[in-house]
Amino acid sequence: EPEVTQTPSHQVTQMGQEVILRCVPISNHLYFYWYRQILGQKVEFLVSFYNNEISEKSEIFDDQFSVERPDGSNFTLKIRSTKLEDSAMYFCASIGQGDTGELFFGEGSRLTVL
Amino acid sequence: GQNIDQPTEMTATEGAIVQINCTYQTSGFNGLFWYQQHAGEAPTFLSYNVLDGLEEKGRFSSFLSRSKGYSYLLLKELQMKDSASYLCAVWGAAGNKLTFGGGTRVLVKP
Repeated sequence: EPEVTQTPSHQVTQMGQEVILRCVPISNHLYFYWYRQILGQKVEFLVSFYNNEISEKSEIFDDQFSVERPDGSNFTLKIRSTKLEDSAMYFCASIGQGDTGELFFGEGSRLTVL
Repeated sequence: GQNIDQPTEMTATEGAIVQINCTYQTSGFNGLFWYQQHAGEAPTFLSYNVLDGLEEKGRFSSFLSRSKGYSYLLLKELQMKDSASYLCAVWGAAGNKLTFGGGTRVLVKP
């Protein structure tokens, strides 16, 4: 069964460092998402991406965040200068054209900022 | 704003039935989803309702009333492995995305 894959599974970084989280969405999917979940809190939308551009972003997704689809398969989330409060699980998700809205989630990347 | 409310925690006994309620007040609605999430893992899809009524899928059923902004997830014949968080989410609450409630942590006791 096709799946969304994410790397790394866990990253520890120092405050102020740049972090890149990588995702390979399901190959025939067209809409890509990043969500985050701070420990013990709800899953929060960060950004959606379609047709090689951001289609929507939340208030959380400020200038420190960026997304990119550098090639036909990868979808990356970059945090330029990490803060302690960026510590969270980051989930990538994708969906195909005309699908019901069932998002397929990757296993997540746990980011710890020290 | 978008409000999706569900109880924080519920406890039930193995073999029993548990009903998790979800109420929503959103500016848009294109379907309601239930996901299961074990600690430290990704959400996994359980069910989807876009029309009023009950959808049954094995031990899990989900109900939707759009006029009341209400859904529930029914878990029957509870097993220890059902101990997890259950997330209610609305597609299209605001934009083309899933918006999640806070999740209900279900603890199944022997």
